[in-house]
Amino acid sequence: QQQVKQSPQSLIVQKGGISIINCAYENTAFDYFPWYQQFPGKGPALLIAIRPDVSEKKEGRFTISFNKSAKQFSLHIMDSQPGDSATYFCAASRPTGAGSYQLTFGKGTKLSVIP
Amino acid sequence: SAVISQKPSRDICQRGTSLTIQCQVDSQVTMMFWYRQQPGQSLTLIATANQGSEATYESGFVIDKFPISRPNLTFSTLTVSNMSPEDSSIYLCSVASTGNQPQHFGDGTRLSIL
Repeated sequence: QQQVKQSPQSLIVQKGGISIINCAYENTAFDYFPWYQQFPGKGPALLIAIRPDVSEKKEGRFTISFNKSAKQFSLHIMDSQPGDSATYFCAASRPTGAGSYQLTFGKGTKLSVIP
Repeated sequence: SAVISQKPSRDICQRGTSLTIQCQVDSQVTMMFWYRQQPGQSLTLIATANQGSEATYESGFVIDKFPISRPNLTFSTLTVSNMSPEDSSIYLCSVASTGNQPQHFGDGTRLSIL
């Protein structure tokens, strides 16, 4: 059972536009929600993250919106640039006991920003 | 964030052989994780390796196939044993300093089995 659903699978955005990627979860034990950016041949890099006690977090052109009641969160990339072209993964973390935590990833969104 | 080095970065191996992947971190971390990622796909957790305890494996992954060592707070290894073409994948190491802190990833080991 996929615990974090991510959409769309792929996204094409014009340079300067807004890219929006959505994720939804079911497990209320999740308490930390990071987004990762992955370029070909590289490992995922932490982009921005949010905890469920806030509804929005902004870092530069990247914003996470979080709706706890709907169990949904989204990534907005403002003024999208060709250099933002990458695969984006949402994830959700939950405690697994003995001080450890487990990340569950969405299936990823391949973003292409065209000039 | 921590600098994570994985070795080898890629390898091509024969069916039936084993390969050990190393993950080195430039600072002490409590938790290390091993993931598998098929090209173009998402990440699947293989196991969690916390120093001082046995690795915890996820459903579908067993110690005999993927033995893990965690000798200290900066190093871990994952061995892929008795490899078959189905093991061809990208294997990624990630680390978290403590508790529910962000995980940071290495660049992975790209493994192909002939």
